[in-house]
Amino acid sequence: DAGITQSPRHKVTETGTPVTLRCHQTENHRYMYWYRQDPGHGLRLIHYSYGVKDTDKGEVSDGYSVSRSKTEDFLLTLESATSSQTSVYFCAISEAGGTTEAFFGQGTRLTVV
Amino acid sequence: DQQVKQNSPSLSVQEGRISILNCDYTNSMFDYFLWYKKYPAEGPTFLISISSIKDKNEDGRFTVFLNKSAKHLSLHIVPSQPGDSAVYFCAAIAIDGQNFVFGPGTRLSVLP
Repeated sequence: DAGITQSPRHKVTETGTPVTLRCHQTENHRYMYWYRQDPGHGLRLIHYSYGVKDTDKGEVSDGYSVSRSKTEDFLLTLESATSSQTSVYFCAISEAGGTTEAFFGQGTRLTVV
Repeated sequence: DQQVKQNSPSLSVQEGRISILNCDYTNSMFDYFLWYKKYPAEGPTFLISISSIKDKNEDGRFTVFLNKSAKHLSLHIVPSQPGDSAVYFCAAIAIDGQNFVFGPGTRLSVLP
């Protein structure tokens, strides 16, 4: 299994509070991604990173920010959580983007009440 | 508008028979296609991929077929086993792309 660790695995938070999810990899892969999974929508890209301090928006980036200060860590922050951000969040890594597969972490289940 | 579509939300197949999962895409820039399998409470697991220069790729019981002119790919599982019951996601990426686009998934149930 690819070395990807997501933390926390589960979190319940209140509307309006900030939340940070962490993804840590031990594979030294260049690309890192944050997806959310919702029924009927599959996996939708929130943000991705193509190197340290290099990030870009995905399909559903509103309300989220990311940071990558080290190759191994990719943080996803919800500045002010809303109920619509209740979801399962997956981190993924890829060595080379368009010609290789992505490997996923175990996911973080976030509930905003 | 979804760039990767899986029009069957669910599929039931008898054990030992063939499972065929379909995927359509709209972006002609996609060059590399992947299938992932996901069990409940786990992350998606890579299953098989195909490059646009091929029309078929086989790995054990799993075969992926690509029809570029129709912008259609399919995953065949033969023979299907109860342990194959999972949600299957189709994904695509451009050869010079940086992010993967996923379909909504198809839930496969293999009945004993």
